[in-house]
Amino acid sequence: QSVLTQPPSVSGAPGQRVTISCSGSSSNIGAGFDVHWYQQLPGAAPKLLIYSDNSRPSGVSDRFSGSKSGTSASLALTGLQAEDEADYYCQSYDNTLSGHLVFGGGTKLTVL
Amino acid sequence: QLQLQESGPRLVKPSETLSLTCTVSGGSISSSSYYWAWIRQPPGKGLEWVGSMYSSGSTYYSPPLRGRVTISMDTSKNQFSLKLTSVTAADTATYHCARSRVSLLSGIGYWGQGALVTVSS
Repeated sequence: QSVLTQPPSVSGAPGQRVTISCSGSSSNIGAGFDVHWYQQLPGAAPKLLIYSDNSRPSGVSDRFSGSKSGTSASLALTGLQAEDEADYYCQSYDNTLSGHLVFGGGTKLTVL
Repeated sequence: QLQLQESGPRLVKPSETLSLTCTVSGGSISSSSYYWAWIRQPPGKGLEWVGSMYSSGSTYYSPPLRGRVTISMDTSKNQFSLKLTSVTAADTATYHCARSRVSLLSGIGYWGQGALVTVSS
């Protein structure tokens, strides 16, 4: 059971917009800790997609955006492309048990 | 460009110790204020943070693994290592070494390709 909750799967047609939610609690997202998002293509290592809630590393497409409100965060993808089919993970910090990094369970994005 | 590469035994017997090393190239693990981490992923499952070490040597471990995990660094070889004792089949996973983007809470900016370690007799 992951500390951060994500839907197991989402899907969308090419060109559409999809969002992936990440639900936390008052000890992590709700406490103001930054949320980060990773993309993991099949057979590859995860890649940082969004950091500090809504910032993109250099080289990441502006089709990806992040937001945060209260105890939840979201990743939005616009102009869906076949190459976006991957697993997506949110990550934050939890201040219980002396503090630790936490991940969401991951969301499989299928491009129809 | 920073690169990380995991190495170590890929098959470990139950109750024994899992040992992996991460060799870092393109940057020094001791001269910069970054956090060096191990993150694992059981087959077909999600990511789990194992622990992190600051360049000064301070360590931070996942609560469920505290007591079994040790992260250390060898600055002369520009490497850091993971030891996980008393392993069981539940510790079978791909283990990634990684580096924080900046601080411990700033996200994981660099990842190694990962090493699949199987716990089996």
